[in-house]
Amino acid sequence: KQEVTQIPAALSVPEGENLVLNCSFTDSAIYNLQWFRQDPGKGLTSLLLIQSSQREQTSGRLNASLDKSSGRSTLYIAASQPGDSATYLCAVRLPGAQKLVFGQGTRLTINP
Amino acid sequence: NAGVTQTPKFQVLKTGQSMTLQCAQDMNHEYMSWYRQDPGMGLRLIHYSVGAGITDQGEVPNGYNVSRSTTEDFPLRLLSAAPSQTSVYFCASSYGTGELFFGEGSRLTVL
Repeated sequence: KQEVTQIPAALSVPEGENLVLNCSFTDSAIYNLQWFRQDPGKGLTSLLLIQSSQREQTSGRLNASLDKSSGRSTLYIAASQPGDSATYLCAVRLPGAQKLVFGQGTRLTINP
Repeated sequence: NAGVTQTPKFQVLKTGQSMTLQCAQDMNHEYMSWYRQDPGMGLRLIHYSVGAGITDQGEVPNGYNVSRSTTEDFPLRLLSAAPSQTSVYFCASSYGTGELFFGEGSRLTVL
């Protein structure tokens, strides 16, 4: 059974720092991996989608990497800003599966 | 484009009442799904659909019904609400197995 883990559950850093959020999964046979952010009381906003054949994806100050063999993905946020404060979730999709398996998320706080 | 639209945003029900959560998407996505989000449990799939007329169960389907008569709409019906169904419900859609887009959520309280 695929399990997705995000550690730490919460992270607080000062504004301007570069930071890395971690996501690990137990079954390396994934179809793709997606990173989301969720603001309090809101829905999930898609940040990046990485296909299983890709090693990384970039969007603005965000860079996501994927290492299937080790069952890990990281989300790198450059030059963090208070507006980046949110919960970040990763989710993996297995081949042929219609559901995503989500991690519990990392609650990120950027302090001005 | 509106993306994925859910209504209502908030709802309070009494035990035993029924209701329908509405979901519509304007991206011509074949795939639509319903998740519930609970503290400590994360997001869990309730039902999903891969196209009009086709639906299937997810992890936690009991107490919920769905139908997909059009590509755009995927309503979730609670047949007889129970306190255990108090949750935040999210509808999501994608083009095939690609990027998944979520609605803003429907917060349901069952008394």
